[in-house]
Amino acid sequence: GAVVSQHPSWVICKSGTSVKIECRSLDFQATTMFWYRQFPKQSLMLMATSNEGSKATYEQGVEKDKFLINHASLTLSTLTVTSAHPEDSSFYICSASPDRTYGYTFGSGTRLTVV
Amino acid sequence: DQQVKQNSPSLSVQEGRISILNCDYTNSMFDYFLWYKKYPAEGPTFLISISSIKDKNEDGRFTVFLNKSAKHLSLHIVPSQPGDSAVYFCAASARNYGGSQGNLIFGKGTKLSVKP
Repeated sequence: GAVVSQHPSWVICKSGTSVKIECRSLDFQATTMFWYRQFPKQSLMLMATSNEGSKATYEQGVEKDKFLINHASLTLSTLTVTSAHPEDSSFYICSASPDRTYGYTFGSGTRLTVV
Repeated sequence: DQQVKQNSPSLSVQEGRISILNCDYTNSMFDYFLWYKKYPAEGPTFLISISSIKDKNEDGRFTVFLNKSAKHLSLHIVPSQPGDSAVYFCAASARNYGGSQGNLIFGKGTKLSVKP
């Protein structure tokens, strides 16, 4: 149980275009989902907390206009990287949990490469 | 300021021996700790967790120890197997004001290599 599905697993896009990443909780409802980013050889850094039916909470230094988060239902959150640039190339991972004691389940991640 | 620290970027262990991965934290509000295993280009896989009301939690070959006074936790893997070779992340969270779960704060990870 507690499966989180993330798509796509990898994407290559041109500079200036936008990319949407989906995160779905398959067998539980998630009022909160978390979006992380990982640079090579670095830790997972929290970008934002996605709240169903309300605005996302962004961490300091994360541009909310560049990384648009939508959590329209209890099972789906999307992260859209707008006007992507090469420096946005990274590994993006979402996470959710049905219950705190269960632990947080992660999606398989999305490798974004902007050329 | 890094709230969760894994000071050893890498660890090499012989198969069959014990692997000990360490993690320190600074935020006394953290009350839930987790260990994740991560392979390249994949999402982290949950391994084991521990609540601050405990000082030990065991699951098969994996045991996590928590020393609250020292703000230190460790993951013991015994016996270590080559398939355990991966990056291990320590993570912590605190409850939000309303009692809901907070986000995870991760350490930078420790790359474990288990040699046959």
